[in-house]
Amino acid sequence: DTGVSQDPRHKITKRGQNVTFRCDPISEHNRLYWYRQTLGQGPEFLTYFQNEAQLEKSRLLSDRFSAERPKGSFSTLEIQRTEQGDSAMYLCASKPEGSGLGEQFFGPGTRLTVL
Amino acid sequence: RKEVEQDPGPFNVPEGATVAFNCTYSNSASQSFFWYRQDCRKEPKLLMSVYSSGNEDGRFTAQLNRASQYISLLIRDSKLSDSATYLCVVNWGDSGGGADGLTFGKGTHLIIQP
Repeated sequence: DTGVSQDPRHKITKRGQNVTFRCDPISEHNRLYWYRQTLGQGPEFLTYFQNEAQLEKSRLLSDRFSAERPKGSFSTLEIQRTEQGDSAMYLCASKPEGSGLGEQFFGPGTRLTVL
Repeated sequence: RKEVEQDPGPFNVPEGATVAFNCTYSNSASQSFFWYRQDCRKEPKLLMSVYSSGNEDGRFTAQLNRASQYISLLIRDSKLSDSATYLCVVNWGDSGGGADGLTFGKGTHLIIQP
């Protein structure tokens, strides 16, 4: 499968624990995005990277959230001291350089449940 | 990044019927527009991009009215497999710079009935 992959697909954790999700974009896609989707809502933008540089961060990305893309390939999203309100689907997307404002390709998501 | 508004439905439509969805967006500077389809508990997938001149892909037709900040999707001869949530999506980015990201509507839930 050459699409965007995310790991894990599901995560159940207790409130207060830290969690980390991984996203592997499509090969050679230099732009990588993180979104969060709660039940009954559309995805909401969190942050995006061009190569290893984090270029945009949403105000939704509180100080408990941190995202990295150290080598410009895979990315990680960490949530510290999880809260029940963090329960959501975390989606990663990527697109190639030169595609302007074109299509983003989404991974299957990581579904987080905070108990 | 402003908002995208669409009727959440659900739209219950008999198989073979024509159905239309609309959405409005608030950021007049937006330059790029899409309809994505999302099946239950799956990721969004691009259905089609939307251009000012209007565009058609098989049974699907999308229209953009920049003056009214309005986007539409028409599905003709609907199939059972069209049942899904349709997300109206706007890129709030700047094609000349680094700003880039999608704003999604809440989605319109479509149910095609046999």
